[in-house]
Amino acid sequence: DTGVSQDPRHKITKRGQNVTFRCDPISEHNRLYWYRQTLGQGPEFLTYFQNEAQLEKSRLLSDRFSAERPKGSFSTLEIQRTEQGDSAMYLCASSQGGLAYEQYFGPGTRLTVT
Amino acid sequence: GEDVEQSLFLSVREGDSSVINCTYTDSSSTYLYWYKQEPGAGLQLLTYIFSNMDMKQDQRLTVLLNKKDKHLSLRIADTQTGDSAIYFCAESSNTGTASKLTFGTGTRLQVTL
Repeated sequence: DTGVSQDPRHKITKRGQNVTFRCDPISEHNRLYWYRQTLGQGPEFLTYFQNEAQLEKSRLLSDRFSAERPKGSFSTLEIQRTEQGDSAMYLCASSQGGLAYEQYFGPGTRLTVT
Repeated sequence: GEDVEQSLFLSVREGDSSVINCTYTDSSSTYLYWYKQEPGAGLQLLTYIFSNMDMKQDQRLTVLLNKKDKHLSLRIADTQTGDSAIYFCAESSNTGTASKLTFGTGTRLQVTL
């Protein structure tokens, strides 16, 4: 069990560019979550997948954000036309269906928009 | 909506006990959690408690839940320098199917020699 992995770990981009992050959950975990953490704050829920279905999206997830989990395994989070306010740590977590209350987090992708 | 509050900072001496407190507002909270975050890292699940329990002990960690007052605490016995980190309290309520977590702002624990 290698844990949740995220790629890249750091991303610096210019305002207006598109970025995509990847999350690989713990194998056999059918639930996958994305959270965003800004400096000095706790993580905030963005969206959630059960298998390949995106079942819930936060109002924080504007139209510029899109998440996919096409085969029910890894997931991608894309941000289009990045803004400086998008600078944050993007965290992915996964859990097993029967133990959905145990969410395990990856190391995060730190995004800096200049 | 849900709200989780924590004090920002706690300093303790190595070997002493640490007590980190948290209050929450959602009376339908099902599970309450403690996560640890070290600098530049993701969150590590330390322990969690089901809302119908009032205490859980796991090695050096003791979680106390007062559901009436919506108060959760984490006690770390024999605190070590490696315990220095930010500790997040979180709650989940099974609204729909998400079991999404709502986090507090975190308590920074500083362990001094």
